[in-house]
Amino acid sequence: GDSVTQMEGPVTLSEEAFLTINCTYTATGYPSLFWYVQYPGEGLQLLLKATKADDKGSNKGFEATYRKETTSFHLEKGSVQVSDSAVYFCALRASFGNEKLTFGTGTRLTIIP
Amino acid sequence: DSGVTQTPKHLITATGQRVTLRCSPRSGDLSVYWYQQSLDQGLQFLIQYYNGEERAKGNILERFSAQQFPDLHSELNLSSLELGDSALYFCASSAGLARETQYFGPGTRLLVL
Repeated sequence: GDSVTQMEGPVTLSEEAFLTINCTYTATGYPSLFWYVQYPGEGLQLLLKATKADDKGSNKGFEATYRKETTSFHLEKGSVQVSDSAVYFCALRASFGNEKLTFGTGTRLTIIP
Repeated sequence: DSGVTQTPKHLITATGQRVTLRCSPRSGDLSVYWYQQSLDQGLQFLIQYYNGEERAKGNILERFSAQQFPDLHSELNLSSLELGDSALYFCASSAGLARETQYFGPGTRLLVL
């Protein structure tokens, strides 16, 4: 079945550091890929998405590129801020069948001033 | 604010009891999804309703049931509760079945003692 593998956390970085959170997936066809973020005590918010190969999703300085050849959707940000501290979830939605999201385990990111 | 509302925010109950979680989707959204977030299982899809009809089932226990009402709000019923049912339950909604983005509510945190 479909699955998402995320970089193990937790990740701790200093403010203004470069961030990469790795995400790879297993799915047939061409799934849609998502990054959701969960701030402390809150629900999930869509951060960015990509629906076809080579698409780049971007939002709030975060970027991720849908790489079909490596089945990856790594999340990057050039300069992180304390306010980026949260849990980040990579997810996929299959290109056929039901519309459910399949999530990775989440990566907890802490940014130190 | 995603526009998806969930009540209650917190729920504490005892083993063997039954609870009902409520979700109101974004205005105009016809699809409602329920997900469970637990420490050991991560984020898992439970069930989806579309315009009042069950659309897809995931890892939902037989003790759990859901429904979507004519006004499109949805309820998740959890019965014969066990300690392991303690989790954060999210509702999400999307416009329809064309694989639109799912928007998540703030969640209901259930604690079974």
